[in-house]
Amino acid sequence: SQTIHQWPATLVQPVGSPLSLECTVEGTSNPNLYWYRQAAGRGLQLLFYSVGIGQISSEVPQNLSASRPQDRQFILSSKKLLLSDSGFYLCAWHFQMNTEAFFGQGTRLTVV
Amino acid sequence: KQEVTQIPAALSVPEGENLVLNCSFTDSAIYNLQWFRQDPGKGLTSLLLIQSSQREQTSGRLNASLDKSSGRSTLYIAASQPGDSATYLCAVRRVGNQFYFGTGTSLTVIP
Repeated sequence: SQTIHQWPATLVQPVGSPLSLECTVEGTSNPNLYWYRQAAGRGLQLLFYSVGIGQISSEVPQNLSASRPQDRQFILSSKKLLLSDSGFYLCAWHFQMNTEAFFGQGTRLTVV
Repeated sequence: KQEVTQIPAALSVPEGENLVLNCSFTDSAIYNLQWFRQDPGKGLTSLLLIQSSQREQTSGRLNASLDKSSGRSTLYIAASQPGDSATYLCAVRRVGNQFYFGTGTSLTVIP
């Protein structure tokens, strides 16, 4: 069966520090991968999605970036965090357009 | 741009009641619609997926319907239990791999 792993679960980082969040999927190949952010009291905002290795689409211009170094690995990064980067970050995957999507357990990021 | 609205934003019911959560979307050109639940501080758990060609899906006490032409979906929860308390989100998927999420309905089932 397929599973999705996301880590760390919680993270407290100072302003200006770098960020690296990792997401991996097991039990499938060539998944479509997504990074979402959920700010307090707001809906889910799509940040990046990837349909294959090295193929990244950005939905929102900001100081975050994403990379997909391996088929089932998706990384969210920042060189210098801002206070506004605080939020709940969720990784998601699905196999094909008409199949069910699954989410990781999320990373709670607090920038101080 | 696709807009997804969920009404009501919050709902409180006594245990045992049947209830309906609503989701509406502005663009009917969708691949599918998926319902999720989110517990506080947790990720999203998939509940039901309805393809654009389907009218409804059932899983246990949950039944989701889809009326694509009118841009509406409902999630019916039968015999609600305190464990059903969570935020329920609907998401529609269109061309371009984009999910569009509603802002959710926060459900509280009172024992």
